[in-house]
Amino acid sequence: GENVEQHPSTLSVQEGDSAVIKCTYSDSASNYFPWYKQELGKRPQLIIDIRSNVGEKKDQRIAVTLNKTAKHFSLHITETQPEDSAVYFCAASTNSGYSTLTFGKGTMLLVSP
Amino acid sequence: KAGVTQTPRYLIKTRGQQVTLSCSPISGHRSVSWYQQTPGQGLQFLFEYFSETQRNKGNFPGRFSGRQFSNSRSEMNVSTLELGDSALYLCASSLGAGTGGTGELFFGEGSRLTVL
Repeated sequence: GENVEQHPSTLSVQEGDSAVIKCTYSDSASNYFPWYKQELGKRPQLIIDIRSNVGEKKDQRIAVTLNKTAKHFSLHITETQPEDSAVYFCAASTNSGYSTLTFGKGTMLLVSP
Repeated sequence: KAGVTQTPRYLIKTRGQQVTLSCSPISGHRSVSWYQQTPGQGLQFLFEYFSETQRNKGNFPGRFSGRQFSNSRSEMNVSTLELGDSALYLCASSLGAGTGGTGELFFGEGSRLTVL
């Protein structure tokens, strides 16, 4: 089955810096890669996703890149703000099972003012 | 539009007991999936239901089971509870693959199970 590795497990940055979280996956059939943000005590929420026919996707301060050959994808957050502090999960899925996600173990991002 | 509702939010059980958790998806969503969240293992997929049929199952023992009703509401059951079953159980709903949906999962707030 699919295996998703996520690094780093914790990341501390100063407000205004950029943050990068990296994930690798094992199943070459995976073609849907979402990122979820979970604030302390709250439910995970989708922040951005990318499909395998796209190499990069941006949404304001957030971007995701995908390298299918290397089987890795990354989340980039620019101009970080304290409210970006949360746990971020990457995930992978095949087209036939959007609801069946294999998640990475998460990255706790702490943005200090 | 109401979000995903999970009940109960908190429960305490003892080893050997069984538990049933309930999930009401967003209206119109036909897919319901369940995930177990623990500090050490993160989010792990349990199973997915679509139109009352289990479409996929994760790598969990047979003590974990679920079902979906005709109104898309879902329940999961854990029998013969073990200490290691203590976790936050998250339910997520979506339109379902192949229905034109975006693939986004909408999570409930979870049911926190403590096994003593």
